Amino acid sequence: RKEVEQDPGPFNVPEGATVAFNCTYSNSASQSFFWYRQDCRKEPKLLMSVYSSGNEDGRFTAQLNRASQYISLLIRDSKLSDSATYLCVVGGGGTSYGKLTFGQGTILTVHP
Amino acid sequence: DTGVSQDPRHKITKRGQNVTFRCDPISEHNRLYWYRQTLGQGPEFLTYFQNEAQLEKSRLLSDRFSAERPKGSFSTLEIQRTEQGDSAMYLCASSLSAGNTGELFFGEGSRLTVL
Repeated sequence: RKEVEQDPGPFNVPEGATVAFNCTYSNSASQSFFWYRQDCRKEPKLLMSVYSSGNEDGRFTAQLNRASQYISLLIRDSKLSDSATYLCVVGGGGTSYGKLTFGQGTILTVHP
Repeated sequence: DTGVSQDPRHKITKRGQNVTFRCDPISEHNRLYWYRQTLGQGPEFLTYFQNEAQLEKSRLLSDRFSAERPKGSFSTLEIQRTEQGDSAMYLCASSLSAGNTGELFFGEGSRLTVL
């Protein structure tokens, strides 16, 4: 089983749509959780951290369920510029405190 | 430019040759990471350093791969006796350890093609 698993998609949605991405992780000792965004042929960049209480940043909402080892990202009112690959990232616990493990990514294309 | 820089950006080599990549992190960052990424996949963890100490190395990494960060600043990743399966983008990232915010700053990567 992969340490971090995502639905690879691709997701093709019209502008204005709401889209949700899911992610599961295998290490119950994981301490930190993030969503990164990677544009085509570019390096990944942090989109937002994910907290147990859930958190929102504009049109983006992230949720974490530690009991189910599940992370989600909701994008509301999709824009053309949201087209990218979204990477779920989990930070290790215990001796792997500094290690960040990436999922395979979910491809999103927003069309007019 | 104060971002993470990697060199070379592109490397084409023949199977069996050795290659070395260099990464210069953001100057005040004490953590440095190496990842490998192939088409359609997320970055795969290879190893990371805190200052000059290599704290973790992926079990998937064969003995042909070695990384160093001798003075806690720049790092090198060497691949010996390259194989075609080593063809990938090699990404370096750096971060601050304090607070462990999870924000890695990536370089633009070094693309390796093994013929």
